[in-house]
Amino acid sequence: GAVVSQHPSWVICKSGTSVKIECRSLDFQATTMFWYRQFPKKSLMLMATSNEGSKATYEQGVEKDKFLINHASLTLSTLTVTSAHPEDSSFYICSARPRTGLEKLFFGSGTQLSVL
Amino acid sequence: GENVEQHPSTLSVQEGDSAVIKCTYSDSASNYFPWYKQELGKRPQLIIDIRSNVGEKKDQRIAVTLNKTAKHFSLHITETQPEDSAVYFCAAPGQAGTALIFGKGTTLSVSS
Repeated sequence: GAVVSQHPSWVICKSGTSVKIECRSLDFQATTMFWYRQFPKKSLMLMATSNEGSKATYEQGVEKDKFLINHASLTLSTLTVTSAHPEDSSFYICSARPRTGLEKLFFGSGTQLSVL
Repeated sequence: GENVEQHPSTLSVQEGDSAVIKCTYSDSASNYFPWYKQELGKRPQLIIDIRSNVGEKKDQRIAVTLNKTAKHFSLHITETQPEDSAVYFCAAPGQAGTALIFGKGTTLSVSS
């Protein structure tokens, strides 16, 4: 149980285009999902908290207009990187917490984004 | 907010030796401390976690100890094997019900 699916696993795009990443909880409902970014050989840095049916909460320094988050259902959150630039190239990974409220987070498989 | 410090950043051991990774946290209200293992290009995998109402938890070759007074917790791996080589992250809750805040990670290398 507690499987989180993330797609795509990797994407290459041209500078200036937008990329959408999907995160789905397959066998549980998640009122809250979290988006992290990880640069090579670095830790996971929290970008934003995605709440079902309400606006996302962004961490300091993360541009909400550039990283659009939508959490339209209890099993799906999406992250759209708008007008991507080479410096946005990174490993993006989502995580979800079941509605049981326990602290455990379950991670998606991650998306490697490369912006040319 | 919560701040998690992790040491060492790299750790090299011989197969069969023990490895210890330490983390400190800043928020005395934190009550949940997981450890994740991440292999290159893969998702972090939860390997063990501990809640603040216990001081130690063990699962086969892996154990975690918690000292709430000193606000630090440690991962202990005994009888290390080459497949234990990975990056290990400790974490603590930012606030109740919110995201986990991760340490900077420890790259463990086990040589045979």
